[in-house]
Amino acid sequence: GAGVSQSPSNKVTEKGKDVELRCDPISGHTALYWYRQSLGQGLEFLIYFQGNSAPDKSGLPSDRFSAERTGGSVSTLTIQRTQQEDSAVYLCASSPRDRSTGELFFGEGSRLTVL
Amino acid sequence: SQQGEEDPQALSIQEGENATMNCSYKTSINNLQWYRQNSGRGLVHLILIRSNEREKHSGRLRVTLDTSKKSSSLLITASRAADTASYFCATGKAAGNKLTFGGGTRVLVKP
Repeated sequence: GAGVSQSPSNKVTEKGKDVELRCDPISGHTALYWYRQSLGQGLEFLIYFQGNSAPDKSGLPSDRFSAERTGGSVSTLTIQRTQQEDSAVYLCASSPRDRSTGELFFGEGSRLTVL
Repeated sequence: SQQGEEDPQALSIQEGENATMNCSYKTSINNLQWYRQNSGRGLVHLILIRSNEREKHSGRLRVTLDTSKKSSSLLITASRAADTASYFCATGKAAGNKLTFGGGTRVLVKP
């Protein structure tokens, strides 16, 4: 596709349920990032992929959060046993570079609401 | 705490006026970037300035970087209602692989 695609755009779930958020980066981009943005706040780094490996997962808030990337392309962020504090917009970005020296291309985000 | 902190948190101006916002950071950087986010949308890259550069222009945007003060400014000249958005600075380290974002400045341009 022309840009970074994220799905679902909106997800409402009940506390305790698991959710999966998907990111389809720009074709050929080797680096992929997940960020979280709470209402009216800045972006909180979650995890970075280079190809299929995740050399930096230091931002994952707890072991309920996990992410994987397959085929050097699509990535899935999974949140198990969701809590109300997980409510936020989850943003995915990709970059053709493997270091923080270039711009990131962001998707529109997945808005998660945990009731 | 955030690597980049924007100031002010919110700014309201009339169309045609200039908007200036600042970003401060704590550690050494390889580059500093500015992004715009319209309400409910993803972030869009505006401009990147490298640590060995002091000023950069792109259309109505002017960015300065002072590495001795660990600060940057973004100036939007002759603002338009369409410039209404949140603006974020983000820093990248030479040995790092991620951008660290600040809390953003919300800009409202009144027609």
